Amino acid sequence: NAGVTQTPKFRVLKTGQSMTLLCAQDMNHEYMYWYRQDPGMGLRLIHYSVGEGTTAKGEVPDGYNVSRLKKQNFLLGLESAAPSQTSVYFCASRRQDRGLNEKLFFGSGTQLSVL
Amino acid sequence: GNSVTQMEGPVTLSEEAFLTINCTYTATGYPSLFWYVQYPGEGLQLLLKATKADDKGSNKGFEATYRKETTSFHLEKGSVQVSDSAVYFCALSDQVYKLSFGAGTTVT
Repeated sequence: NAGVTQTPKFRVLKTGQSMTLLCAQDMNHEYMYWYRQDPGMGLRLIHYSVGEGTTAKGEVPDGYNVSRLKKQNFLLGLESAAPSQTSVYFCASRRQDRGLNEKLFFGSGTQLSVL
Repeated sequence: GNSVTQMEGPVTLSEEAFLTINCTYTATGYPSLFWYVQYPGEGLQLLLKATKADDKGSNKGFEATYRKETTSFHLEKGSVQVSDSAVYFCALSDQVYKLSFGAGTTVT
């Protein structure tokens, strides 16, 4: 059982380049999330999805776009990368069933550097 | 809005020492509270949780009690091991679809 898989694991971009981070989960979870982790700031929510075909903004959505065309995949796009987007990105998913009590399952992260 | 405040690290301890990581929160309603742990090079994983006031979550020797009167959820372990070296995150969920995380505390 793979759980939550993120690709790629590492990437270096130049300012202005674009890229897409892929998150895939095989647990049939309804909810999926993208977080970024920065030193001293913990995890901040970028975008999330409560089901196939739906997305919503989190705390820090600017400069990012997302899509959830299939239930198992959640894509995070950077259209024009900036140095401020250098971070570690985590994807997570959770079931809908038990509401507030349901835990998140995390991927292993993507280390992105923008030069 | 909702927020979680954790004690700043890093925390450096000797093996078998007592560990406490303070966590306080601000939220409307009745949130569920969580501690997640991140081992080096890995994603976060759930350590323990508590869903209502006075609940105690426990796992792997770690404990935390949901204190509504002090809006706190402090993490404790009586005797730490080298394998407990990690980053610990306090989090709350008061909406079905998302969690708010603290800044994380590095324990070595």
